[in-house]
Amino acid sequence: DQQVKQNSPSLSVQEGRISILNCDYTNSMFDYFLWYKKYPAEGPTFLISISSIKDKNEDGRFTVFLNKSAKHLSLHIVPSQPGDSAVYFCAASASFGGATNKLIFGTGTLLAVQP
Amino acid sequence: KAGVTQTPRYLIKTRGQQVTLSCSPISGHRSVSWYQQTPGQGLQFLFEYFSETQRNKGNFPGRFSGRQFSNSRSEMNVSTLELGDSALYLCASSSRQTLNEKLFFGSGTQLSVL
Repeated sequence: DQQVKQNSPSLSVQEGRISILNCDYTNSMFDYFLWYKKYPAEGPTFLISISSIKDKNEDGRFTVFLNKSAKHLSLHIVPSQPGDSAVYFCAASASFGGATNKLIFGTGTLLAVQP
Repeated sequence: KAGVTQTPRYLIKTRGQQVTLSCSPISGHRSVSWYQQTPGQGLQFLFEYFSETQRNKGNFPGRFSGRQFSNSRSEMNVSTLELGDSALYLCASSSRQTLNEKLFFGSGTQLSVL
Protein backbone atom coordinates (compact mmCIF):
# COMPACT_ATOMS: atom_id res chain seq x y z
CA ASP A 1 0.00 0.00 0.00
CA GLN A 2 1.67 3.17 -1.24
CA GLN A 3 0.84 5.84 1.34
CA VAL A 4 2.75 8.56 -0.52
CA LYS A 5 2.25 8.75 -4.27
CA GLN A 6 4.00 10.68 -6.97
CA ASN A 7 1.97 9.87 -10.04
CA SER A 8 4.22 11.58 -12.56
CA PRO A 9 7.41 9.56 -13.11
CA SER A 10 8.92 12.37 -15.15
CA LEU A 11 8.48 16.04 -16.01
CA SER A 12 10.20 18.19 -18.61
CA VAL A 13 10.21 22.01 -18.47
CA GLN A 14 12.04 24.83 -20.19
CA GLU A 15 14.68 26.81 -18.37
CA GLY A 16 13.17 29.89 -16.72
CA ARG A 17 9.67 28.42 -16.54
CA ILE A 18 7.89 27.04 -13.49
CA SER A 19 8.26 23.39 -12.46
CA ILE A 20 5.39 21.92 -10.48
CA LEU A 21 5.88 18.54 -8.86
CA ASN A 22 2.92 16.87 -7.22
CA CYS A 23 2.48 14.42 -4.36
CA ASP A 24 -0.57 12.77 -2.83
CA TYR A 25 -0.85 10.93 0.46
CA THR A 26 -3.44 8.70 2.05
CA ASN A 27 -2.54 8.63 5.75
CA SER A 28 -4.28 11.45 7.63
CA MET A 29 -1.85 10.98 10.53
CA PHE A 30 1.01 12.46 8.51
CA ASP A 31 1.90 15.83 9.99
CA TYR A 32 5.22 16.68 8.41
CA PHE A 33 6.20 16.66 4.77
CA LEU A 34 9.54 17.03 3.05
CA TRP A 35 10.99 17.22 -0.43
CA TYR A 36 14.35 15.71 -1.25
CA LYS A 37 16.38 16.03 -4.43
CA LYS A 38 18.59 13.23 -5.67
CA TYR A 39 21.31 13.23 -8.30
CA PRO A 40 22.62 9.95 -9.73
CA ALA A 41 25.20 8.20 -7.55
CA GLU A 42 24.49 10.55 -4.64
CA GLY A 43 22.25 10.35 -1.61
CA PRO A 44 19.08 12.46 -1.39
CA THR A 45 19.58 16.02 -0.17
CA PHE A 46 16.96 17.92 1.77
CA LEU A 47 15.22 20.68 -0.13
CA ILE A 48 12.28 22.06 1.82
CA SER A 49 9.69 20.93 4.36
CA ILE A 50 6.30 21.91 5.68
CA SER A 51 4.40 21.17 8.86
CA SER A 52 0.71 20.31 8.71
CA ILE A 53 -0.13 23.49 10.61
CA LYS A 54 0.93 25.52 7.57
CA ASP A 55 -0.28 25.56 3.99
CA LYS A 56 2.74 27.18 2.39
CA ASN A 57 6.47 27.41 2.93
CA GLU A 58 8.98 29.28 0.78
CA ASP A 59 12.72 29.08 0.47
CA GLY A 60 14.19 31.08 -2.38
CA ARG A 61 13.07 29.60 -5.69
CA PHE A 62 11.31 26.72 -3.93
CA THR A 63 7.79 26.81 -2.51
CA VAL A 64 5.83 23.92 -1.08
CA PHE A 65 2.03 24.05 -0.85
CA LEU A 66 -0.01 21.75 1.36
CA ASN A 67 -3.73 21.07 0.90
CA LYS A 68 -4.72 18.91 3.85
CA SER A 69 -8.32 18.43 2.82
CA ALA A 70 -7.18 17.03 -0.52
CA LYS A 71 -4.19 15.24 1.02
CA HIS A 72 -2.04 16.84 -1.63
CA LEU A 73 1.18 18.77 -1.69
CA SER A 74 3.14 20.34 -4.48
CA LEU A 75 6.61 21.75 -4.99
CA HIS A 76 7.01 24.80 -7.19
CA ILE A 77 10.39 25.78 -8.60
CA VAL A 78 10.55 29.25 -10.10
CA PRO A 79 12.48 29.91 -12.24
CA SER A 80 13.68 26.45 -13.20
CA GLN A 81 17.37 26.02 -13.94
CA PRO A 82 19.23 23.19 -15.71
CA GLY A 83 20.96 22.37 -12.41
CA ASP A 84 17.55 21.51 -10.97
CA SER A 85 17.45 18.42 -13.18
CA ALA A 86 17.28 15.53 -10.72
CA VAL A 87 14.86 13.06 -9.15
CA TYR A 88 12.58 14.69 -6.59
CA PHE A 89 11.15 12.63 -3.74
CA CYS A 90 8.23 13.61 -1.60
CA ALA A 91 8.27 12.20 1.95
CA ALA A 92 5.96 12.26 4.95
CA SER A 93 6.09 11.37 8.60
CA ALA A 94 3.70 11.04 11.51
CA SER A 95 5.04 12.14 14.86
CA PHE A 96 2.45 10.44 17.09
CA GLY A 97 3.58 12.75 19.86
CA GLY A 98 7.24 11.78 19.61
CA ALA A 99 10.22 12.34 17.38
CA THR A 100 10.50 9.93 14.51
CA ASN A 101 12.86 9.49 11.62
CA LYS A 102 10.58 7.04 9.81
CA LEU A 103 9.91 8.81 6.57
CA ILE A 104 7.52 7.37 4.00
CA PHE A 105 8.75 8.26 0.54
CA GLY A 106 7.05 8.50 -2.80
CA THR A 107 8.54 6.82 -5.86
CA GLY A 108 10.06 10.04 -7.19
CA THR A 109 9.65 12.33 -10.20
CA LEU A 110 12.50 12.84 -12.65
CA LEU A 111 12.66 16.53 -13.53
CA ALA A 112 14.48 17.54 -16.71
CA VAL A 113 15.03 21.26 -17.23
CA GLN A 114 15.84 21.99 -20.86
CA PRO A 115 18.21 24.90 -21.62
CA LYS B 1 31.51 18.97 9.23
CA ALA B 2 32.00 15.72 7.39
CA GLY B 3 28.82 14.23 5.95
CA VAL B 4 27.36 10.79 6.37
CA THR B 5 29.86 8.19 5.18
CA GLN B 6 28.84 4.80 3.87
CA THR B 7 31.17 1.95 2.99
CA PRO B 8 31.60 0.21 0.68
CA ARG B 9 30.13 2.16 -2.26
CA TYR B 10 29.63 -0.95 -4.36
CA LEU B 11 29.26 -4.60 -3.48
CA ILE B 12 28.64 -7.72 -5.53
CA LYS B 13 27.46 -10.86 -3.79
CA THR B 14 25.84 -14.14 -4.78
CA ARG B 15 22.59 -15.62 -3.58
CA GLY B 16 22.78 -17.17 -0.14
CA GLN B 17 25.69 -15.08 1.04
CA GLN B 18 25.48 -12.46 3.73
CA VAL B 19 26.63 -8.85 3.66
CA THR B 20 27.46 -6.11 6.15
CA LEU B 21 27.17 -2.44 5.30
CA SER B 22 28.65 0.35 7.37
CA CYS B 23 27.55 3.90 8.11
CA SER B 24 29.27 6.71 9.99
CA PRO B 25 26.85 9.52 10.86
CA ILE B 26 27.60 13.21 11.01
CA SER B 27 29.57 14.02 14.15
CA GLY B 28 27.19 14.63 17.02
CA HIS B 29 24.25 12.86 15.38
CA ARG B 30 22.92 10.01 17.51
CA SER B 31 20.18 8.74 15.21
CA VAL B 32 20.92 6.54 12.23
CA SER B 33 18.24 5.30 9.84
CA TRP B 34 18.53 2.87 6.96
CA TYR B 35 16.53 2.91 3.73
CA GLN B 36 16.40 0.65 0.69
CA GLN B 37 15.93 2.18 -2.74
CA THR B 38 14.86 0.05 -5.69
CA PRO B 39 13.72 1.23 -9.13
CA GLY B 40 10.03 2.06 -9.08
CA GLN B 41 9.70 1.60 -5.31
CA GLY B 42 11.18 4.79 -3.97
CA LEU B 43 12.90 4.63 -0.61
CA GLN B 44 11.64 2.04 1.85
CA PHE B 45 12.34 2.48 5.57
CA LEU B 46 14.29 -0.40 7.10
CA PHE B 47 15.00 0.67 10.70
CA GLU B 48 16.24 3.45 12.94
CA TYR B 49 18.75 3.32 15.76
CA PHE B 50 19.20 5.89 18.48
CA SER B 51 21.73 5.56 21.29
CA GLU B 52 22.39 1.92 20.36
CA THR B 53 18.68 1.00 20.55
CA GLN B 54 16.40 0.16 17.66
CA ARG B 55 13.61 2.72 17.86
CA ASN B 56 11.62 1.92 14.75
CA LYS B 57 11.39 -0.89 12.22
CA GLY B 58 9.97 -1.16 8.73
CA ASN B 59 8.29 -4.10 7.03
CA PHE B 60 11.30 -6.15 6.06
CA PRO B 61 12.01 -9.81 6.85
CA GLY B 62 14.23 -10.81 9.74
CA ARG B 63 17.12 -11.39 7.32
CA PHE B 64 17.64 -7.64 7.57
CA SER B 65 19.19 -6.56 10.84
CA GLY B 66 21.27 -3.76 12.18
CA ARG B 67 23.07 -2.42 15.16
CA GLN B 68 24.54 0.79 16.45
CA PHE B 69 27.72 1.25 18.39
CA SER B 70 28.49 3.60 21.25
CA ASN B 71 30.14 6.05 18.84
CA SER B 72 26.84 6.16 16.85
CA ARG B 73 28.31 4.29 13.89
CA SER B 74 25.90 1.74 12.52
CA GLU B 75 26.05 -1.48 10.56
CA MET B 76 23.34 -3.21 8.58
CA ASN B 77 23.44 -6.93 7.88
CA VAL B 78 21.54 -8.93 5.31
CA SER B 79 21.75 -12.70 5.57
CA THR B 80 20.86 -15.36 2.99
CA LEU B 81 20.85 -12.85 0.16
CA GLU B 82 18.17 -13.06 -2.51
CA LEU B 83 18.18 -11.57 -6.01
CA GLY B 84 15.50 -9.11 -4.92
CA ASP B 85 17.85 -7.63 -2.32
CA SER B 86 19.76 -5.90 -5.11
CA ALA B 87 19.27 -2.22 -4.32
CA LEU B 88 20.84 1.01 -3.18
CA TYR B 89 21.05 1.03 0.61
CA LEU B 90 21.03 4.50 2.10
CA CYS B 91 21.94 5.55 5.59
CA ALA B 92 20.73 8.82 7.10
CA SER B 93 21.56 10.58 10.32
CA SER B 94 20.05 13.29 12.47
CA SER B 95 20.55 14.66 15.95
CA ARG B 96 16.93 13.76 16.77
CA GLN B 97 16.72 16.43 19.47
CA THR B 98 13.48 17.92 18.22
CA LEU B 99 10.44 16.79 16.31
CA ASN B 100 10.52 16.90 12.54
CA GLU B 101 14.21 17.10 11.94
CA LYS B 102 15.53 16.66 8.44
CA LEU B 103 17.65 13.64 7.65
CA PHE B 104 21.10 13.85 6.13
CA PHE B 105 21.79 10.99 3.74
CA GLY B 106 24.99 9.29 2.71
CA SER B 107 25.74 8.39 -0.92
CA GLY B 108 24.65 4.82 -0.37
CA THR B 109 25.98 1.33 -0.95
CA GLN B 110 24.93 -0.23 -4.24
CA LEU B 111 24.43 -3.94 -3.64
CA SER B 112 24.15 -6.35 -6.55
CA VAL B 113 23.13 -9.93 -5.85
CA LEU B 114 23.93 -12.39 -8.63
